[in-house]
Amino acid sequence: GQNIDQPTEMTATEGAIVQINCTYQTSGFNGLFWYQQHAGEAPTFLSYNVLDGLEEKGRFSSFLSRSKGYSYLLLKELQMKDSASYLCAVKKDGANNLFFGTGTRLTVIP
Amino acid sequence: DGGITQSPKYLFRKEGQNVTLSCEQNLNHDAMYWYRQDPGQGLRLIYYSQIVNDFQKGDIAEGYSVSREKKESFPLTVTSAQKNPTAFYLCASSRPGLQETQYFGPGTRLLVL
Repeated sequence: GQNIDQPTEMTATEGAIVQINCTYQTSGFNGLFWYQQHAGEAPTFLSYNVLDGLEEKGRFSSFLSRSKGYSYLLLKELQMKDSASYLCAVKKDGANNLFFGTGTRLTVIP
Repeated sequence: DGGITQSPKYLFRKEGQNVTLSCEQNLNHDAMYWYRQDPGQGLRLIYYSQIVNDFQKGDIAEGYSVSREKKESFPLTVTSAQKNPTAFYLCASSRPGLQETQYFGPGTRLLVL
């Protein structure tokens, strides 16, 4: 199977920066996705990494190191609306679906 | 606007009853998926379909059935054989390609009476 690990919960202050880590162990790695999910709602796509390095998209950035089986999602200038769960998901060669971690619930406090 | 719709938003099932969850997309995506989400667990794949009239079991298919008669539609039936159906059910779709991002519908919460 796939071992995908994320911290269960994190708390950060409005205006600050937070880094959410994800580690994975899988054969045939073919990309890593980050999704945001507000309580009771659908996950929405944030970012995709398949090569090593940093992908920046506005206040959100995502980093991947394939040799270390490691990714992080960086959120800058935190806003209250960023309080949500952040899901790390891995795509494998030959598999049609994504394999999800349990998600990290982020709480942004004033 | 293009997107994925799921209905109903909430569904109640009685013991021994089969219920069907609807999923429709107008994104012209070939692939569609059903996931189940339980508290403290990651999304788990129930069934997926890469093309019309074809579908494959995921990791937790027991007690569920699907059909894919149209490209736009991928309904999921939760049968009476599914002993623990209470969960949040998410439908997703994707277009084949290098990235193949999956886009999710708003979900259906199923509760057992």
